[in-house]
Amino acid sequence: AIQLTQSPSSLSASVGDTVTITCRTSQGISGALAWYQQKPGKAPKLLIYRASSLESGVPSRFSGSGSGTEFTLTISGLQPEDSAAYYCQHFNSYPITFGQGTRLEIK
Amino acid sequence: EVQLVQSGGGLVQPGGSLRLSCVASGFTFSNSWMGWVRQAPGKGLEWVANINQPGSVKKYVDSVEGRFTTSRDNAKNSLNLQMDTLRVDDTAVYYCARVDVFNNGWYDYWGQGILVTVSS
Repeated sequence: AIQLTQSPSSLSASVGDTVTITCRTSQGISGALAWYQQKPGKAPKLLIYRASSLESGVPSRFSGSGSGTEFTLTISGLQPEDSAAYYCQHFNSYPITFGQGTRLEIK
Repeated sequence: EVQLVQSGGGLVQPGGSLRLSCVASGFTFSNSWMGWVRQAPGKGLEWVANINQPGSVKKYVDSVEGRFTTSRDNAKNSLNLQMDTLRVDDTAVYYCARVDVFNNGWYDYWGQGILVTVSS
C-alpha cells in the first residue's frame, strides 16, 4: 500500500498568514492526489483534486501543487474559519490511503 | 442539491453484525462509483470500500475483507455496508461518499457520518 506522510502534524498561525502543508507518498502517484478539510463533528470537505485543481465553491486562497511523491497544500491569507484538520488522499491505485492529518489552529 | 443521508449505526457487541445504509439524492446515483470511509474516535480517515456503478466491482481495505460487504440498489438510490464479525477496532464514524463523476477516485460529496460502537 502507498503510504502518505503529512507534515507538520499540527501548526498554529495567525489570521492573514500563509501556511503550507506537505504530503509525501511512498511511491510516485503522478497527480492522483486530493486534499480535504474537516471541522470537528463534520464530514470532510473536498478542497483540491488532481493535486492542483480547486473544487468549485472553495475559496481561491486554497491552492495545491506537486507531482510524483511530494505535494503541498497552501492556504494564503488565513481566515478564522480555516481552523480545521486537513488530509491528503491518493487515488492512484487500491488500497486508497489518507495521510494522518494536519491540525491547523488559528491564533 | 446532492445529498447523502446515512442510517443504521449504533452499539453492537464484538462478533456481532450491523448494516449501514446511505440514500442518495440530487444526482444520477446509478452513474457513480460510491465509497465508504471511516474515522476512529480522535483518529484520521481510513478508506474502507468502493463499489462501481452496477455493483459488480467491489474493493476493500485488507482489515475488513471477508467481514464487510458493500452493495447498492440503484432503483432505490441506496448504498449499503453489511458489517459482520465486528471487532472493537471497527469502532468509528462511518461516512458514505460519492466518487467524482469521472471516477478518478476523489470523493466530492459525503454523508453526515454515523457512529458504530463495538463494545461489550
